[in-house]
Amino acid sequence: GAVVSQHPSWVICKSGTSVKIECRSLDFQATTMFWYRQFPKQSLMLMATSNEGSKATYEQGVEKDKFLINHASLTLSTLTVTSAHPEDSSFYICSVGELYEQYFGPGTRLTVT
Amino acid sequence: KQEVTQIPAALSVPEGENLVLNCSFTDSAIYNLQWFRQDPGKGLTSLLLIQSSQREQTSGRLNASLDKSSGRSTLYIAASQPGDSATYLCAVAHTGNQFYFGTGTSLTVIP
Repeated sequence: GAVVSQHPSWVICKSGTSVKIECRSLDFQATTMFWYRQFPKQSLMLMATSNEGSKATYEQGVEKDKFLINHASLTLSTLTVTSAHPEDSSFYICSVGELYEQYFGPGTRLTVT
Repeated sequence: KQEVTQIPAALSVPEGENLVLNCSFTDSAIYNLQWFRQDPGKGLTSLLLIQSSQREQTSGRLNASLDKSSGRSTLYIAASQPGDSATYLCAVAHTGNQFYFGTGTSLTVIP
């Protein structure tokens, strides 16, 4: 299966600042990447689908101007949380897909103080 | 919209016991179903993938079954060990590579 990495693995930032999370597909050309969010003791919820070379598709209720997604190459997608607030504190996980089987990154823990 | 539910939400068993985790989904038009393990603060580890045409998959002490028509899957863990303690998530795959995750079962195996 594909190997997916995320950077950073955890980040603490102050309210009002922006944070960028990287998702890299190390051995798989990913035209599509997915971003999920997981709040404590809850399951993963799909936030957006990142498409290489085009705009991301956001799920209902996810603010596209707040969660900026850039998929500039087949191996890298970034999620930028703009003007972060404490309620954005969560676990963010990306994945890449292959024939309906997805491979997940290790996740990024974001804490906004 | 697909809804995936897992029962029970939490389970505590003594070491050595066999156990069953349940997953149900509302839309049976799925491509596959996958079981994952998630340790606290960590990402997902894929355990078993069952294609929609399959009935079950086995890996070591794990056996997953799928009844697509009734919208159910079970994950059977034999001879449980403390190292099996984790949250177990099921997810179903739909058109466009979208995954819908279940609510998770938190398993604790007591030594």
